[in-house]
Amino acid sequence: GQQLNQSPQSMFIQEGEDVSMNCTSSSIFNTWLWYKQDPGEGPVLLIALYKAGELTSNGRLTAQFGITRKDSFLNISASIPSDVGIYFCAGRGEYGNKLVFGAGTILRVKS
Amino acid sequence: KAGVTQTPRYLIKTRGQQVTLSCSPISGHRSVSWYQQTPGQGLQFLFEYFSETQRNKGNFPGRFSGRQFSNSRSEMNVSTLELGDSALYLCASHADVYNEQFFGPGTRLTVL
Repeated sequence: GQQLNQSPQSMFIQEGEDVSMNCTSSSIFNTWLWYKQDPGEGPVLLIALYKAGELTSNGRLTAQFGITRKDSFLNISASIPSDVGIYFCAGRGEYGNKLVFGAGTILRVKS
Repeated sequence: KAGVTQTPRYLIKTRGQQVTLSCSPISGHRSVSWYQQTPGQGLQFLFEYFSETQRNKGNFPGRFSGRQFSNSRSEMNVSTLELGDSALYLCASHADVYNEQFFGPGTRLTVL
């Protein structure tokens, strides 16, 4: 079945630094979604991407849908303490409508 | 617009019991998907409903079942609970099968 490889697994960065994480797939995806989850809560949708090459921003967050349609990345600029949480990528393949999730990137910020 | 609501938020059961979890999607959304989240396995897809019909099913045993009502509210049921069923159960609401999914806060199930 379809699988997503999300990296890095965790990051511990200084407040103010930029962060980058990515997801790759062995198969082509039509949709990429990025979510953030705080402890004890459900994931919150950050950015949705629907077209290869698409670059979308949401405040300090920027995500891109890879040209090959097999990858996506999420950048967070000038990190702040409230950016702490788990970030998930999710994708939907060409022939299915199920969302597949990456394992998540745990982000910790030192202030 | 109200978000996705899930009830109850927390539940403690013992092995062998059964449990029913409820999800009310965003008004106007006709699709509901259910996921199980555990530290070891991450987010695992359980099933998806659209207009009262199950459209997709994940690789879970038959003890896991669900349904959707005409008002789009959905329930999932787990029978004969096992210790390994302890998890955060998340419901996601979407307008249609291919749209973005918006998650509720989840139900934390603990099986003792």
